Amino acid sequence: AQKVTQAQTEISVVEKEDVTLDCVYETRDTTYYLFWYKQPPSGELVFLIRRNSFDEQNEISGRYSWNFQKSTSSFNFTITASQVVDSAVYFCALTPNAGGTSYGKLTFGQGTILTVHP
Amino acid sequence: EAQVTQNPRYLITVTGKKLTVTCSQNMNHEYMSWYRQDPGLGLRQIYYSMNVEVTDKGDVPEGYKVSRKEKRNFPLILESPSPNQTSLYFCASRASGGPYEQYFGPGTRLTVT
Repeated sequence: AQKVTQAQTEISVVEKEDVTLDCVYETRDTTYYLFWYKQPPSGELVFLIRRNSFDEQNEISGRYSWNFQKSTSSFNFTITASQVVDSAVYFCALTPNAGGTSYGKLTFGQGTILTVHP
Repeated sequence: EAQVTQNPRYLITVTGKKLTVTCSQNMNHEYMSWYRQDPGLGLRQIYYSMNVEVTDKGDVPEGYKVSRKEKRNFPLILESPSPNQTSLYFCASRASGGPYEQYFGPGTRLTVT
């Protein structure tokens, strides 16, 4: 079975602060993919990033960065200089690679509600 | 425009009245899936389909049925809805060949009274 835990239910920051959203996962598969999705107040789900378990390089995209550490089973997401438009629910998700024990299943964390105040 | 569409977007119904939520994608994706979103629980997978006529249970399949007769369509059927199926439902699709990111529909908010 696979599991994703986002321990932070809600985070509140003031604009321009940096904020890190935590994601910890459990899986018996040796190869897998991790994702982050954003759900703004309008409700749609927006894909942010995909990370292969083989690739532990950190990634930066503008104000967003991701830290993947296989040793601690974590895939944390940092927003630098947060803005009001970053206010959303953020989900971390996990799926095994082809041949994995539950290929095709995508498991989401509970989500973290981020509120950025002006 | 590449998209996943769901209908209806909002539905209020009564216990026991069969309903179908349609899902269609225009990206020729092999893989399609249904999720429900509940507060504090995130999104949970109901059913998924690797291709036409190939479906499998996700984590919360009880009370739901699906069918995949055509590549583009993946309807979700509630034969006898109950109040605990009140939720926000999302359909998603992705290309085959790898666990690539999924493209999600706009969601269907279902209320069962």
